[in-house]
Amino acid sequence: QSALTQPASVSGSPGQSITISCTGTSSDVGGYKYVSWYQQYPGRAPKLLIYGVTNRPSGVSNRFSGSKSGNTASLTISGLQSDDEADYYCSSYSSGTPCVFGTGTKVTVV
Amino acid sequence: QVQLQESGPGLVKPSQTLSLTCNVSGASVSAGDNYWSWIRQHPGKGLEWIGYIYYSGGTYYTYYNPSLTSRLTMSVDTSKNHFSLNLTSVTAADTAVYYCARGQGFLLEKFDYWGLGTLVTVSS
Repeated sequence: QSALTQPASVSGSPGQSITISCTGTSSDVGGYKYVSWYQQYPGRAPKLLIYGVTNRPSGVSNRFSGSKSGNTASLTISGLQSDDEADYYCSSYSSGTPCVFGTGTKVTVV
Repeated sequence: QVQLQESGPGLVKPSQTLSLTCNVSGASVSAGDNYWSWIRQHPGKGLEWIGYIYYSGGTYYTYYNPSLTSRLTMSVDTSKNHFSLNLTSVTAADTAVYYCARGQGFLLEKFDYWGLGTLVTVSS
């Protein structure tokens, strides 16, 4: 099962909005409503940001939002802040294996 | 508050077996709808789902990543409320940070709690 495709890096200025894409196939992202997003700082464990495509766990800032269109899911970070600098991973249920992760995106705040 | 913590040797020799344990607090490994998972991250790389074990109707079931299934065994010790991973015949390609995590939902809707991770190096 191939990893979902994410851009290697995305950058933005403080206060801007950025969007990270996560492209799969009809066997994973496109076929199910089970896309989640994780934030990971260097040397730290991933943290759940979004699940079920659009849902935010309690305690996660509403600056993070998720969406999906066809085989591509997206994570939008609005009002970009310096502590949003991290790696971001999507994941999806897959009919091949229960879980496939994205390739990861490094977000830089310039 | 659910907490998970990995433990095990940080160095394993090639061809030997990698064994890790995840101690769970704040939740029971026997509770339904919890998919106790292992996920690894090769140095500088992305995340890879390894497998999960879950409890249903008096039995524990496992589901492994097809790429690892021939070398992988997961188990649970209810008396210690922990779950374990055994990966046989390891090579340098198994060097990674190994995380345990709680998955929710049969279709793994989310991994909501994670351990801190433990680095395992395969080297002679």
